[in-house]
Amino acid sequence: KNQVEQSPQSLIILEGKNCTLQCNYTVSPFSNLRWYKQDTGRGPVSLTIMTFSENTKSNGRYTATLDADTKQSSLHITASQLSDSASYICVVSARGTNAGKSTFGDGTTLTVKP
Amino acid sequence: GAGVSQSPSNKVTEKGKDVELRCDPISGHTALYWYRQRLGQGLEFLIYFQGNSAPDKSGLPSDRFSAERTGESVSTLTIQRTQQEDSAVYLCASSLGRPSSYEQYFGPGTRLTVT
Repeated sequence: KNQVEQSPQSLIILEGKNCTLQCNYTVSPFSNLRWYKQDTGRGPVSLTIMTFSENTKSNGRYTATLDADTKQSSLHITASQLSDSASYICVVSARGTNAGKSTFGDGTTLTVKP
Repeated sequence: GAGVSQSPSNKVTEKGKDVELRCDPISGHTALYWYRQRLGQGLEFLIYFQGNSAPDKSGLPSDRFSAERTGESVSTLTIQRTQQEDSAVYLCASSLGRPSSYEQYFGPGTRLTVT
């Protein structure tokens, strides 16, 4: 069964600090992995997308890494801001017959405090 | 351009009533998805439409749930005889094609409360 597991479930950090969120998956055959940010009361918004051949991708203060061999990804947030408080969701898509559906992790809830 | 829109933004209904939730995808997006998100939990896939193909209904939790899509435009998710366990945010997303190749763009969701 395709699964995506994220850790930690929740995280509290001080403004200006860095943090790293983890995502492990068992989706196969792998097509791509996306990190989404979901603000409270809003729909998720894509931050990065990574395919099999990519091992790092940056979007401003967000940097995602992918190790396709160990099936692990991380999202690193640098110099956190209060507006980074949100849920971060790892989403993995498959190729072939399962290409129509993505598998969503339960998300990591990040709280940035002043 | 306009993003994915959903209506209503909030819906409170009594147990046993039927509800209809609407999604307007981004123009030109052939794929449309419905998800359910219970409080504090992750997104749960419900149904997927891709062009004129038969929809993938494998995520619908019971026969009380159904969805329709008119061509490549508006979709409605219908929940019959609502139960308290149906209380959740229902998110719609659209994309140019399958998520193996294309990003999903999400609407703001409809918050359903069954009393």
